[in-house]
Amino acid sequence: AQSVAQPEDQVNVAEGNPLTVKCTYSVSGNPYLFWYVQYPNRGLQFLLKYITGDNLVKGSYGFEAEFNKSQTSFHLKKPSALVSDSALYFCAVRDHTSGTYKYIFGTGTRLKVLA
Amino acid sequence: ETGVTQTPRHLVMGMTNKKSLKCEQHLGHNAMYWYKQSAKKPLELMFVYSLEERVENNSVPSRFSPECPNSSHLFLHLHTLQPEDSALYLCASSQDIPGLAGGNEQFFGPGTRLTVL
Repeated sequence: AQSVAQPEDQVNVAEGNPLTVKCTYSVSGNPYLFWYVQYPNRGLQFLLKYITGDNLVKGSYGFEAEFNKSQTSFHLKKPSALVSDSALYFCAVRDHTSGTYKYIFGTGTRLKVLA
Repeated sequence: ETGVTQTPRHLVMGMTNKKSLKCEQHLGHNAMYWYKQSAKKPLELMFVYSLEERVENNSVPSRFSPECPNSSHLFLHLHTLQPEDSALYLCASSQDIPGLAGGNEQFFGPGTRLTVL
């Protein structure tokens, strides 16, 4: 069965420090991987995705993520956190070989950037 | 209006009421989705429409009834709901090739916060 795990409910980081939000996945075929961010009272916003090619993917707002096939991970990173990055972050996976429209989402990780 | 819009933003209803949630996308996408978001749980996919045809239905109770009259509009009709149905209901759209899972991201609306008394 396909699944996504975000092992941390919350991540706290000081402003200016690097941040990492972890995601691991399990799919039967080759995955398409996504990161989304949700601010209070808003829907999810797309940050970045991995489809194929370079394992390091760059996205919006200075975020990047590294696809690691051997560890089945897709961790979200940013070199220098801003207070405005505080939000709820979701990792999602789609098994593109199955023909399904299903995106599987993690439970979300709340990022808190402290001034 | 741009992106994906949802109305109403907030809804309070009794268990015997009938109401509808509306979603509209202005992106020219061909697939639309309903999700349920509850605290501490993963997003639950409820329904998927591609080119106005329902292509996924994730064992959702019959008290939720979707309708997709055209590729820009999606409704979720609600009747005789239970208190545990209280949640944030999110609509999303994407550009997908029917029958073939693509790598295109979803665009989400702001959601409808539903409270069932």
